[in-house]
Amino acid sequence: KNQVEQSPQSLIILEGKNCTLQCNYTVSPFSNLRWYKQDTGRGPVSLTIMTFSENTKSNGRYTATLDADTKQSSLHITASQLSDSASYICVVSPGGKLIFGQGTELSVKP
Amino acid sequence: EAGVAQSPRYKIIEKRQSVAFWCNPISGHATLYWYQQILGQGPKLLIQFQNNGVVDDSQLPKDRFSAERLKGVDSTLKIQPAKLEDSAVYLCASSLVTGYNEQFFGPGTRLTVL
Repeated sequence: KNQVEQSPQSLIILEGKNCTLQCNYTVSPFSNLRWYKQDTGRGPVSLTIMTFSENTKSNGRYTATLDADTKQSSLHITASQLSDSASYICVVSPGGKLIFGQGTELSVKP
Repeated sequence: EAGVAQSPRYKIIEKRQSVAFWCNPISGHATLYWYQQILGQGPKLLIQFQNNGVVDDSQLPKDRFSAERLKGVDSTLKIQPAKLEDSAVYLCASSLVTGYNEQFFGPGTRLTVL
């Protein structure tokens, strides 16, 4: 069964600190993996998209990594800001369809 | 470039009533998606259109949900009659085509069924 599991479910960090969110998947075949940021009351916005051959991709303070052998991905946020408070959703595509994780709720406190 | 537009943003109805949501995708995007996002969960695909044809509606509860994209642009999603468990955010997304193409999401419509 195609599944995407994220951890932790929620996370609270202090402003300026770094954090790493995890994503494990059992999706086959694999086409690409995406990380989305969803602010409260808004639709998800794409942060990164990685294909099978890509190990890492950055978007400003966001860096995503992909290990296709172990079927794991991580999203690292550097020097967190209050505006980083949001839900971060890992999405894996077998091609065409998107399989969504349940998200990690990140709260950045001053 | 204008994003995906959705209306209304919020809707409160009583169970057994009907409700309709509207979506206008990004100009030129052939593929349109409707998702249901229950609080604390990731979005679940309800239906996918390629132009005005249905590509995937396997998770659409067809006894109460219907969707159309008559001219291959705007789309409406209807629930009739609504149940309490339909309370969720309904997200519309669009992409140029399917596959690798990035999906752009609208702000969503938050539905509360009382």
